[in-house]
Amino acid sequence: DIQLTQSPSFLSASVGDRVTITCRASQGISSYLAWYQQKPGEAPKLLIYAASTLQSGVPSRFSGSGSGTEFTLTISSLQPEDFATYYCQQLNSYPRTFGQGTKVEIK
Amino acid sequence: EVQLVESGGGLVKPGGSLRVSCAASGFTFKSYSMNWVRQTPGKGLEWVSSISSSSSYIYYADSVKGRFTISRDNANNSLILQMNSLRAEDTAVYYCARLLDVAAAGRRFDYWGQGTLVTVSS
Repeated sequence: DIQLTQSPSFLSASVGDRVTITCRASQGISSYLAWYQQKPGEAPKLLIYAASTLQSGVPSRFSGSGSGTEFTLTISSLQPEDFATYYCQQLNSYPRTFGQGTKVEIK
Repeated sequence: EVQLVESGGGLVKPGGSLRVSCAASGFTFKSYSMNWVRQTPGKGLEWVSSISSSSSYIYYADSVKGRFTISRDNANNSLILQMNSLRAEDTAVYYCARLLDVAAAGRRFDYWGQGTLVTVSS
C-alpha cells in the first residue's frame, strides 16, 4: 500500500501569510494526487487534482505542485475562510489512501 | 446540480449489521465509479471501498474486506454499503463520493455527500 505523510500536522498562521503543506508518498504516484479542504461538520471539498490543476471555483490563491513522491499545496495569502484541515489523497492505485491531515489554525 | 445524499446510519451493537445508502441525482449515475470514505470522529479520512460504473470492478480496504459489501443500483441511482460483523472501530461518518476519471486530466473525488453517522456500541 502507498503511504502518504503530510507535514506539518498542525500549522498556526495569520491572515495574509503564505502557507505551504507537504505530502510525501512512500512510492511514486506520478501526478495522481488530489488535495481536499475540510471544515468542521462539513464534507471534504476538492481543491486541486492531478497534483497541480485547480478545481473549478477554487480561488487562485491555492496552488499545487510536484510529481512522483513529493507534492506541495500552497496558499499564497491565507484568508479567514481558509482555516480548515487539508488532506492529500493518492489515486494512482488501490487502496486510495489519504494523508493524515494538516490542521491550519489562526495564530 | 450534482447531489449525493447518504442515509441509513444509526446505532448498532458490536457484531451487528447495517446498510447505508447514497442517493445520487443531477448527473448520469451509471457512467461514474463511486466510493465510500469514512471518518472517525475527530480523526482523518479513510477510503473504504470503490465500485466501477457497471459493478465490474470492486475494491475494499483491508480493514473492511470480508465484512462490508459495496453495490449499486443504476436503475435507481443509488449506492449501497452493506456492513456486517460491525466493530467499535467502524464507528465513523460514512461519505459517498463520485470519482471523476478523465484520461490525461487526472482522477479525483469531485463530489461528496454530507455523510451519515454509524455508531457501533453496546
